[in-house]
Amino acid sequence: EPEVTQTPSHQVTQMGQEVILRCVPISNHLYFYWYRQILGQKVEFLVSFYNNEISEKSEIFDDQFSVERPDGSNFTLKIRSTKLEDSAMYFCASSRERGAYTEAFFGQGTRLTVV
Amino acid sequence: SQQGEEDPQALSIQEGENATMNCSYKTSINNLQWYRQNSGRGLVHLILIRSNEREKHSGRLRVTLDTSKKSSSLLITASRAADTASYFCATDLRNNDMRFGAGTRLTVKP
Repeated sequence: EPEVTQTPSHQVTQMGQEVILRCVPISNHLYFYWYRQILGQKVEFLVSFYNNEISEKSEIFDDQFSVERPDGSNFTLKIRSTKLEDSAMYFCASSRERGAYTEAFFGQGTRLTVV
Repeated sequence: SQQGEEDPQALSIQEGENATMNCSYKTSINNLQWYRQNSGRGLVHLILIRSNEREKHSGRLRVTLDTSKKSSSLLITASRAADTASYFCATDLRNNDMRFGAGTRLTVKP
């Protein structure tokens, strides 16, 4: 069964450093998403991406965040200068379409720890 | 807030009992989805119900949707210890992407 894969599974970084979280969405999917979940809290929407551009972003997704689809398969989330409060699980998701009939498939997440 | 909000926050039952979790939301939706998350793991899609549907079944899962009350419920029948997880509803809003609620933490005791 096709799945969304995320790497690395765990990343530890120093505060102020840049990190890139990587995702390989399901190959025939057109919509891509990043969500994050601070430990024990709810899953928060960060950004959606379609047709090589951001289609929507939340207030969390400020200038320190960026997303890219550098080739036909990867979808990345970059955090330019990490803060302690960026520590969270980051989930990538993809879907075939957006709207009424969409099921989104999630990866297993990358646990980011900022020290 | 436009996202779904689940209640209860936590639910503890014995194996074999039914578990009911509720979700409320504030604005019109295209669909509502339920996801499951085992501790520290990714989200697994359980069921999607469209705004023009009222009830849907999948195995031991039964989901209802009442758009007049802006609410949905997830019923897990004959629960098993392996059903222990967090359950989230997600609303796919008409103009925005999917938003999740805070989830219900279900514990099924053997």
